[in-house]
Amino acid sequence: GAGVSQSPRYKVAKRGQDVALRCDPISGHVSLFWYQQALGQGPEFLTYFQNEAQLDKSGLPSDRFFAERPEGSVSTLKIQRTQQEDSAVYLCASSLAGQTNEKLFFGSGTQLSVL
Amino acid sequence: SQQGEEDPQALSIQEGENATMNCSYKTSINNLQWYRQNSGRGLVHLILIRSNEREKHSGRLRVTLDTSKKSSSLLITASRAADTASYFCATARPHQLTFGKGTKLSVIP
Repeated sequence: GAGVSQSPRYKVAKRGQDVALRCDPISGHVSLFWYQQALGQGPEFLTYFQNEAQLDKSGLPSDRFFAERPEGSVSTLKIQRTQQEDSAVYLCASSLAGQTNEKLFFGSGTQLSVL
Repeated sequence: SQQGEEDPQALSIQEGENATMNCSYKTSINNLQWYRQNSGRGLVHLILIRSNEREKHSGRLRVTLDTSKKSSSLLITASRAADTASYFCATARPHQLTFGKGTKLSVIP
């Protein structure tokens, strides 16, 4: 596609529900990142994929967070048993090569509200 | 955790003036990047400066990097109302691009 696409754009969940957020990176991009952005803050790193391999998941805040990219293209970020503190914008980004020495292309994000 | 710290947190200027934002970081980096974020949107890459570069220009943007002081600055010349946005610096290490908290720039027409 022309850009990074994320869906849904907005998600409202009741506390305790599971949610799944989808990211379609730019076709052919090797690297894929997930970030969490709280209101008024900068994006916080969650996890990084190089093709289908999850090379860094050090930013995932708890074992309720799980990400996958099974075929090296589309990625899903899953949050189990959502809590109010999970409310944030979740941003996906991709880059062409398998390294962080180049610019990232970001999607518009999924705004998650946990009630 | 956020490695970069932008300064100031907020900046308000008149259209046509120059805007300068600073970024400090803590550990060694491969490169430093600046991004812009309009309200409710994703981030857009502005410019990348490598650790062995000291200055870089792109249109109305000028970025400097001082690795000895672990700091960078972004200068936007002849600002326009459309430059109103939040600006973030990001430092690159293997497998991570770490963002600061951002500077919120308001350009008044």
